[in-house]
Amino acid sequence: SQQGEEDPQALSIQEGENATMNCSYKTSINNLQWYRQNSGRGLVHLILIRSNEREKHSGRLRVTLDTSKKSSSLLITASRAADTASYFCATDAGGTSYGKLTFGQGTILTVHP
Amino acid sequence: SAVISQKPSRDICQRGTSLTIQCQVDSQVTMMFWYRQQPGQSLTLIATANQGSEATYESGFVIDKFPISRPNLTFSTLTVSNMSPEDSSIYLCSVGYSNQPQHFGDGTRLSIL
Repeated sequence: SQQGEEDPQALSIQEGENATMNCSYKTSINNLQWYRQNSGRGLVHLILIRSNEREKHSGRLRVTLDTSKKSSSLLITASRAADTASYFCATDAGGTSYGKLTFGQGTILTVHP
Repeated sequence: SAVISQKPSRDICQRGTSLTIQCQVDSQVTMMFWYRQQPGQSLTLIATANQGSEATYESGFVIDKFPISRPNLTFSTLTVSNMSPEDSSIYLCSVGYSNQPQHFGDGTRLSIL
């Protein structure tokens, strides 16, 4: 079963706007990772945030993590049509389960030119 | 980051047949994982493939249906046996490190007629 939930399930915005996607999970984690998937192809790794971190940035991406609320958010600023894709969060519980990722349901982002 | 090559990229198979998917990594890795992504769904872990030991399967997946080989630290195969239309999915391999980004192959898109 999936550990996490993501919302919204689908997001439609105009180019230049910001997109925010949220992810919730149920058990303690070692890290949380965000991925992008274009049209059912392979996954592209975006950002990894460890359980002792609260915020990370990479280019136009900003990820936050609130372990007390078991939630994370991905913000894409100044979106582009090329950002159109499905976005997934995935948690790694660590310990004997390290590397085993549990994925959220994903958010389908559509950016209109 | 590791470069992961997966073959075939797609295939159309007849029900009742089996298909073996190959995953090659450009560096030695301890942990390799196999995931399934059913149409319109998120990813679900099938099993963990460790070199020199039997694969470890997640709940709902069994070795008779998804036999896995891991002959060395750079290669693994997943066989989908006795296929039915319900096995139509994208199958992805990945490599994982402790508390590091996990990277995925481009996936194998499998359709069963």
